[in-house]
Amino acid sequence: QKEVEQDPGPLSVPEGAIVSLNCTYSNSAFQYFMWYRQYSRKGPELLMYTYSSGNKEDGRFTAQVDKSSKYISLFIRDSQPSDSATYLCAMRGGRRALTFGSGTRLQVQP
Amino acid sequence: NAGVTQTPKFQVLKTGQSMTLQCAQDMNHNSMYWYRQDPGMGLRLIYYSASEGTTDKGEVPNGYNVSRLNKREFSLRLESAAPSQTSVYFCASKGRVQYEQYFGPGTRLTVT
Repeated sequence: QKEVEQDPGPLSVPEGAIVSLNCTYSNSAFQYFMWYRQYSRKGPELLMYTYSSGNKEDGRFTAQVDKSSKYISLFIRDSQPSDSATYLCAMRGGRRALTFGSGTRLQVQP
Repeated sequence: NAGVTQTPKFQVLKTGQSMTLQCAQDMNHNSMYWYRQDPGMGLRLIYYSASEGTTDKGEVPNGYNVSRLNKREFSLRLESAAPSQTSVYFCASKGRVQYEQYFGPGTRLTVT
């Protein structure tokens, strides 16, 4: 079983929809939870991070972490075609490296 | 600042050939990483270097070697390429901020 599970999609939504992306994990040592966005044929870029449990909002994006359920989410409000990308969750505990999910491909249709 | 740069962008090798992927960062970061990305597998860590002069194995180190040449540069070498090493390779670096890694544009490698 992978440490981090993420539905690969693809997820196709109309412009303006609310998008929910999720990851589950098994390692209780994870403390930092990140979402990276990767456009086609580009390297990933950090979108948001959360330390431990709770919510964090940045514009149209909201990240949620529920450590009791080992479940993290990224919500995108008023989705735009420019949001079309692959979204990777990533986590970090005591180790020095990040553990990534496999990524969810999102397509926002105009 | 260029951030993280990688060369080459594309490469085709025959089985058994060797090559070195180059990575450099200009952000004065201590930590550098090599990942491979395969469909459905996400990013998997090959090797990392927490500081100049140190390297450690990641999740999938077999068939690879690395060199941390100096603080800026971290290279990945395939001594005898195999078709299973066909992948997109990303280099990344991290400064003191624990949660943020900066990625290069990637090298697309095909081994025939």
